[in-house]
Amino acid sequence: DTEVTQTPKHLVMGMTNKKSLKCEQHMGHRAMYWYKQKAKKPPELMFVYSYEKLSINESVPSRFSPECPNSSLLNLHLHALQPEDSALYLCASSQEQGTLTDTQYFGPGTRLTVL
Amino acid sequence: RKEVEQDPGPFNVPEGATVAFNCTYSNSASQSFFWYRQDCRKEPKLLMSVYSSGNEDGRFTAQLNRASQYISLLIRDSKLSDSATYLCALPNSGNTPLVFGKGTRLSVIA
Repeated sequence: DTEVTQTPKHLVMGMTNKKSLKCEQHMGHRAMYWYKQKAKKPPELMFVYSYEKLSINESVPSRFSPECPNSSLLNLHLHALQPEDSALYLCASSQEQGTLTDTQYFGPGTRLTVL
Repeated sequence: RKEVEQDPGPFNVPEGATVAFNCTYSNSASQSFFWYRQDCRKEPKLLMSVYSSGNEDGRFTAQLNRASQYISLLIRDSKLSDSATYLCALPNSGNTPLVFGKGTRLSVIA
């Protein structure tokens, strides 16, 4: 089973709202990732958690705040977003970041619209 | 050379055709390579992993050319359902996560 789940599937929020995206995997993977994807572009890495610790932050604005409550869950807290933050937000997980055969599996994504 | 480069296409091919597209990479030390398929408004789904010279899965074959630093994806007997964007990805360097190419769009036409 290579399932990564994400909620919600769609989210519309105003620029003053606070919302959270959730991601869950039960494959025992120790690395989890947040990506942002705009239309007709490849996924762009935002954050990486390895063994529940933030290991990579790709200079993401502070209005995006990741959280890893445990090894199966990954959240992305959103606050004071801009319309240009509208995108598909993808979560991924992998067995262990950095190993030769490490393979990332993606969740279905949350389509975010900021008004 | 950019880290990962792909011909964006679109490749428009008739059903039953064989189509191939390449992905060139700049890091000569890269050891693992991945092809993902992404349908419109969906997530990338792993199609194939390549760790040595190549890999084959049914109608899909990936071949690695280390000397010229590219990996190709060959699709035989194309089906309408193969229409999608195909993303090449590989680790950037060391233990950093994947870097994706911009993707190649394939349209298989009846």
